[in-house]
Amino acid sequence: DTEVTQTPKHLVMGMTNKKSLKCEQHMGHRAMYWYKQKAKKPPELMFVYSYEKLSINESVPSRFSPECPNSSLLNLHLHALQPEDSALYLCASSQGQGFGEAFFGQGTRLTVV
Amino acid sequence: KNEVEQSPQNLTAQEGEFITINCSYSVGISALHWLQQHPGGGIVSLFMLSSGKKKHGRLIATINIQEKHSSLHITASHPRDSAVYICAGGQGGSEKLVFGKGTKLTVNP
Repeated sequence: DTEVTQTPKHLVMGMTNKKSLKCEQHMGHRAMYWYKQKAKKPPELMFVYSYEKLSINESVPSRFSPECPNSSLLNLHLHALQPEDSALYLCASSQGQGFGEAFFGQGTRLTVV
Repeated sequence: KNEVEQSPQNLTAQEGEFITINCSYSVGISALHWLQQHPGGGIVSLFMLSSGKKKHGRLIATINIQEKHSSLHITASHPRDSAVYICAGGQGGSEKLVFGKGTKLTVNP
């Protein structure tokens, strides 16, 4: 199984809502990542978890809250988002030693209204 | 500063043509990733290279460490190859990727 599975595929939420994005991999990878991608732009790194601990936070606003319940799962909790947060949110994983080959999910297309 | 530069930004080809996308990177990048993204879709990892050459089907990726340059070649291109191809550099010992701006490839039938 070389897949990274993200749910939901699409999400529309209001600015007062609370929602969560989920990411799952069963490749035994110990590094997991959240990226944000705006249209026609490369992905921007948000968070990195290494061995279930947050190792990199790229100065992301606190309305985005990551969580790594175990080595296979990564969540991104969303609260009080703004319309400009609408984007494709991508999860990725890698072996975690140095970097290793990155495996990406299909992404969650988020629209904030 | 670690940087990755891709060219061309846009590329249009006729079906069957041989295609080359180039990527130059700065000191500090120890591995190069080639990624593919279809419109509105997620990202697929095509290759990860730290030296030499890799081949998978009609795709070939090469890297020249001395010149800090990598190329992605597509032989016998097909309309289904139409996508954005992204070069990304991995920084040794770090868990971050530095992305190029991508090359939008359109293959016409």
